[in-house]
Amino acid sequence: AQSVTQLGSHVSVSEGALVLLRCNYSSSVPPYLFWYVQYPNQGLQLLLKYTTGATLVKGINGFEAEFKKSETSFHLTKPSAHMSDAAEYFCAVSHSGGYQKVTFGIGTKLQVIP
Amino acid sequence: DTGVSQDPRHKITKRGQNVTFRCDPISEHNRLYWYRQTLGQGPEFLTYFQNEAQLEKSRLLSDRFSAERPKGSFSTLEIQRTEQGDSAMYLCASSLASGTGGHEQYFGPGTRLTVT
Repeated sequence: AQSVTQLGSHVSVSEGALVLLRCNYSSSVPPYLFWYVQYPNQGLQLLLKYTTGATLVKGINGFEAEFKKSETSFHLTKPSAHMSDAAEYFCAVSHSGGYQKVTFGIGTKLQVIP
Repeated sequence: DTGVSQDPRHKITKRGQNVTFRCDPISEHNRLYWYRQTLGQGPEFLTYFQNEAQLEKSRLLSDRFSAERPKGSFSTLEIQRTEQGDSAMYLCASSLASGTGGHEQYFGPGTRLTVT
């Protein structure tokens, strides 16, 4: 079984401030981890993914995330928030081998204050 | 480049009516997924196809729901005798099965269903 917990359903940051969106996962096997972004009335767009190898992964739009096995975490960060980052962000987990069912968290809505 | 497309984007229907949604995946992708997303929630898995075979269905997928993927290309999701609780965004995604890699799924824009 696998699950994802996103801490904070709403996060507000000032433009130019650090963005930190928290994600903790539970998986009985080595996980694959993803962050997706969703803009209003649109589908989900992949920001970044971790499969194996380097634990710090860089994605699009200046986002990055670090896989920490000891903390079962995969937090998403961006050094400087931009107004266009306002959206909903979903953390997701799957695993290698066979069919990789993806389980999503409930999402974190990011508000960027000018 | 054509991503995943879904039709229609919006559907309003009266309770008890049947509705059908279509999803066209990225052309070389052999896996296709349907999800349902309600307000304030992440996408919830409904069903999954590899080529034309439907390999897994969620318990969320009641008998009123049926999905097909003839010829392993586009897919349809039909909801019979719609209920107000069916109101949601229905998302389609596709991916390419491979021996390695993250199996990331590429999502369409969704079909928003409103049952009145």
